[in-house]
Amino acid sequence: NAGVTQTPKFRVLKTGQSMTLLCAQDMNHEYMYWYRQDPGMGLRLIHYSVGEGTTAKGEVPDGYNVSRLKKQNFLLGLESAAPSQTSVYFCASTQDGSYNEQFFGPGTRLTVL
Amino acid sequence: DAKTTQPPSMDCAEGRAANLPCNHSTISGNEYVYWYRQIHSQGPQYIIHGLKNNETNEMASLIITEDRKSSTLILPHATLRDTAVYYCIAAPGKYNQGGKLIFGQGTELSVKP
Repeated sequence: NAGVTQTPKFRVLKTGQSMTLLCAQDMNHEYMYWYRQDPGMGLRLIHYSVGEGTTAKGEVPDGYNVSRLKKQNFLLGLESAAPSQTSVYFCASTQDGSYNEQFFGPGTRLTVL
Repeated sequence: DAKTTQPPSMDCAEGRAANLPCNHSTISGNEYVYWYRQIHSQGPQYIIHGLKNNETNEMASLIITEDRKSSTLILPHATLRDTAVYYCIAAPGKYNQGGKLIFGQGTELSVKP
């Protein structure tokens, strides 16, 4: 099992450009999450999904869109990147929304110039 | 979700027990205490959780006070690889609000030789 994987690992964008971050999990988990982490801070929830075809807003959803067309994939989109979106993005998944153990990916480091 | 308070940093000698405190004085009856850690630049890793009884697993022990207003995570024999930021999270259990985790700033534990 690869667990939770994220693509790409690093990316540099210019202001106004768009991109999509891919999260994939091979554990057949129902719930998936996107977090961002800024320097010196804890993780903040952007969006999450409780199953294929569903999405919901987290703490800081503005400027992001998500899609969960397949159970194993959770995509995070930035339509028009801004410098404030420079951050490390983590994806996580869990089987049934239990807090017992969320499995996290290795992160994507995004810089917006 | 209840707010938690943790010291920003702590030091521990290698081989000694590391005791990480967490205050959650506003925790409600259905909220568990969860601990995660984040080793530099990696995704967070689940450690342990509990409701009101003390818990132990292969990684750590969790001691929760009788009034549930505070808890302590114990790493019995800290190693250099335990150097990380430790997050204490108080949140409802399963099937509630999509299993979202609210991360605070955590405690940065430095294990020194």
